Amino acid sequence: ETGVTQTPRHLVMGMTNKKSLKCEQHLGHNAMYWYKQSAKKPLELMFVYNFKEQTENNSVPSRFSPECPNSSHLFLHLHTLQPEDSALYLCASSQAGQSQETQYFGPGTRLLVL
Amino acid sequence: KQEVTQIPAALSVPEGENLVLNCSFTDSAIYNLQWFRQDPGKGLTSLLLIQSSQREQTSGRLNASLDKSSGRSTLYIAASQPGDSATYLCAVIMEYGNKLVFGAGTILRVKS
Repeated sequence: ETGVTQTPRHLVMGMTNKKSLKCEQHLGHNAMYWYKQSAKKPLELMFVYNFKEQTENNSVPSRFSPECPNSSHLFLHLHTLQPEDSALYLCASSQAGQSQETQYFGPGTRLLVL
Repeated sequence: KQEVTQIPAALSVPEGENLVLNCSFTDSAIYNLQWFRQDPGKGLTSLLLIQSSQREQTSGRLNASLDKSSGRSTLYIAASQPGDSATYLCAVIMEYGNKLVFGAGTILRVKS
């Protein structure tokens, strides 16, 4: 596979469930990002990882827990979510977290919390 | 706090028309500005990136301009086609960080 892939593409979960979103990039990049896209709202940055280290947490609630085991993989662990957390979660990667670098986005995971 | 606004929120045009999408931002201390395209059920595709020192960028039928001092950018699409139908997002990166700040997007529909 090429580019940035995300699994699952769709997820329905109850508020008491625990689930994980997975992102993998095949571009040799060293920076990875999680974004949230809610209906009728701008895309919001959640987390940034540079060389496996978290460099940005945009005041995200602790019920979202990111994990970056290596530069190619990024996870978002979900637990005790709320219905308002239903959104499209997008992963992106870039060369080295430099501001002039284009970010490449995955197709997203559509999450519905019941 | 940087805010990015896109006008119009939605646009429907007949095939062949030239059209302009607008983006404005409140803080002119940007490093660059990007235009993205998002198709339903898919991620974002970068269309054009304009550095803060540049005035415009062109790619095929797309031309993006940037007026940093007034906090505005436009995306011009020439001879629109049904395949151009998508959501177009504008985003800026600030001089002092690497966070992309997005607008809410313009939903474009080109009718055949």
